[in-house]
Amino acid sequence: ETGVTQSPTHLIKTRGQQVTLRCSSQSGHNTVSWYQQALGQGPQFIFQYYREEENGRGNFPPRFSGLQFPNYSSELNVNALELDDSALYLCASSQRTAIYEQYFGPGTRLTVT
Amino acid sequence: AQSVTQLDSQVPVFEEAPVELRCNYSSSVSVYLFWYVQYPNQGLQLLLKYLSGSTLVESINGFEAEFNKSQTSFHLRKPSVHISDTAEYFCAVFYNQGGKLIFGQGTELSVKP
Repeated sequence: ETGVTQSPTHLIKTRGQQVTLRCSSQSGHNTVSWYQQALGQGPQFIFQYYREEENGRGNFPPRFSGLQFPNYSSELNVNALELDDSALYLCASSQRTAIYEQYFGPGTRLTVT
Repeated sequence: AQSVTQLDSQVPVFEEAPVELRCNYSSSVSVYLFWYVQYPNQGLQLLLKYLSGSTLVESINGFEAEFNKSQTSFHLRKPSVHISDTAEYFCAVFYNQGGKLIFGQGTELSVKP
């Protein structure tokens, strides 16, 4: 059974640029959630995807957007990067029938300079 | 508003001593409760969960947590810690609305020889 994978591991971007982060869900999981974890904080829910549609969103501006593909993998896109976007971005997958049990990937560390 | 409070940001303890990491949540409805562990530069790993049934739940590596509905708490305990337990621990609550996990701020457990 393959766990949740994310790419890239680390990323450095400049303020104003755009970034795309990728996530492959665990085998058998059809729901993907994204979280932002700032340094020294707990993860904050960004949004969730099921059947290729956004299915819930946290308190993040529209410049945070996502996609889910037919194979359940997902992308997180962030436009017009700000310094405060520097964080660990975590992807979690789950089965729709047990959406509460979320399994996390290793994360992508984004640094905005 | 839904919230999770971890009452201690840092807990230093000597090896083989007992430890308790405290977690309180706000909710007037049924919830699912989780503890996750995060080792340095890694993602979150599910440690244990309470969904229903027995209020005392255990993990495979000796941790246990007790759900107390009247006190809205879900404290994590271990009778004897090891150096390898050094990590950040996050308490989380799942709310059906939005399908999201709400995390506490985390407790850094530091086990010293």
